[in-house]
Amino acid sequence: SSELTQDPAVSVALGQTVRITCQGDSLRNYYACWYQQKPGEAPLLVIYGENNRPAGIPDRFSGSRSGNTASLTITGAQAEDDGDYYCNSRDSSGNQLLFGGGTKLTVL
Amino acid sequence: DVQVLESGGGLVPRGGSLRLSCEASGLIFKSLWVHWVRQAPGKGLVWVSRTNSDGSDTTFTDSVRGRFTTWRDNAKNTAYLQMKDLRAEDTGLYYCAIGYKYYFDNWGQGALVTVSS
Repeated sequence: SSELTQDPAVSVALGQTVRITCQGDSLRNYYACWYQQKPGEAPLLVIYGENNRPAGIPDRFSGSRSGNTASLTITGAQAEDDGDYYCNSRDSSGNQLLFGGGTKLTVL
Repeated sequence: DVQVLESGGGLVPRGGSLRLSCEASGLIFKSLWVHWVRQAPGKGLVWVSRTNSDGSDTTFTDSVRGRFTTWRDNAKNTAYLQMKDLRAEDTGLYYCAIGYKYYFDNWGQGALVTVSS
């Protein structure tokens, strides 16, 4: 299929570890990247490629992939990590990009 | 500092046309890909299109192919999205995102497009 599926909402206690997942057939062949979006702001790239962080992104953010699932892990979640997270990858044809539906992360 | 600024949004009737512009500074625009991403009010991100560094390679999502075109003027550090035959479902905030073929790390604040039905 040409869809990327994310859980709508996830919560994590402050300082704990959380994994946000993204499922899709295309992920068997292509890496996902991850964007964080806070209310009223443009998205921010946090992970790209196999597991790369743009400059300025804390190392508590990491990415991985297994089978048809890509994951974004935040190790030691902070209050400022609260927000929406979107995965993005190629579709099954490899020609187009698509986003997952987004996961709202709440840091308790 | 990198700046990405979209302009040209507005209210347009169904079936109408609109052209968005994306002007960038503080980066090597002519070497980078330009993507357009939209977000309906309260909804998620939807990838719309991309164009390569010299404009020779463009790709669109299925729902807009044939209605939207995109091009760029590297001398002006500006990219454009021409939208025609607009539908209610095209309503949303249109972001210009600059980066690479499969990911983008510089986003504008978006241009709001509202298609009235």
